Amino acid sequence: SQKIEQNSEALNIQEGKTATLTCNYTNYSPAYLQWYRQDPGRGPVFLLLIRENEKEKRKERLKVTFDTTLKQSLFHITASQPADSATYLCALEDGGATNKLIFGTGTLLAVQP
Amino acid sequence: NAGVTQTPKFRVLKTGQSMTLLCAQDMNHEYMYWYRQDPGMGLRLIHYSVGEGTTAKGEVPDGYNVSRLKKQNFLLGLESAAPSQTSVYFCASSYSPDGDSNQPQHFGDGTRLSIL
Repeated sequence: SQKIEQNSEALNIQEGKTATLTCNYTNYSPAYLQWYRQDPGRGPVFLLLIRENEKEKRKERLKVTFDTTLKQSLFHITASQPADSATYLCALEDGGATNKLIFGTGTLLAVQP
Repeated sequence: NAGVTQTPKFRVLKTGQSMTLLCAQDMNHEYMYWYRQDPGMGLRLIHYSVGEGTTAKGEVPDGYNVSRLKKQNFLLGLESAAPSQTSVYFCASSYSPDGDSNQPQHFGDGTRLSIL
């Protein structure tokens, strides 16, 4: 079965720097991969979706890459701000037409002012 | 638009009690999902529904039942609560255009459930 690995250790960076979060998977390459943000006490919020035939996707200060050879996705936040502090979840499609997702455990990002 | 609304937000139960968690969405989405989130485990799918009147098992369905009598509502039931079901429960919904399953899921803010 598909297994997703995200760095369980918190990532601490200085305001203004670029944060890079990693998502590795172990089995089949999914047709698409999604990234979500989760704040304490709240539900996940969708950020970006990248398809298997796309190498890179951007949205404002966010960038996602998808390398099916390495079985890895990288999530970048440029010019990071304290308001970017949250847990970021990687999710892979679980096959079929039901839009089911398999979620990673998430990485906590802390941006220091 | 409220999006996805979950009730209640918090609940404490005793072992063996039953309860129903309610999820309502106002986006006319066909697909709905129930997850549980535990420390170090991530979000795990309990049950899901691809339309009114249909339900299916996810990764961790044991001890739970669901119903989708109306398109906008998805109910999660615990018939006899156990301490192992202490968790945060999230409901989500997604759009389902024909031939395109690459859609984001929209989540509620969760129900925090403690079983004593």
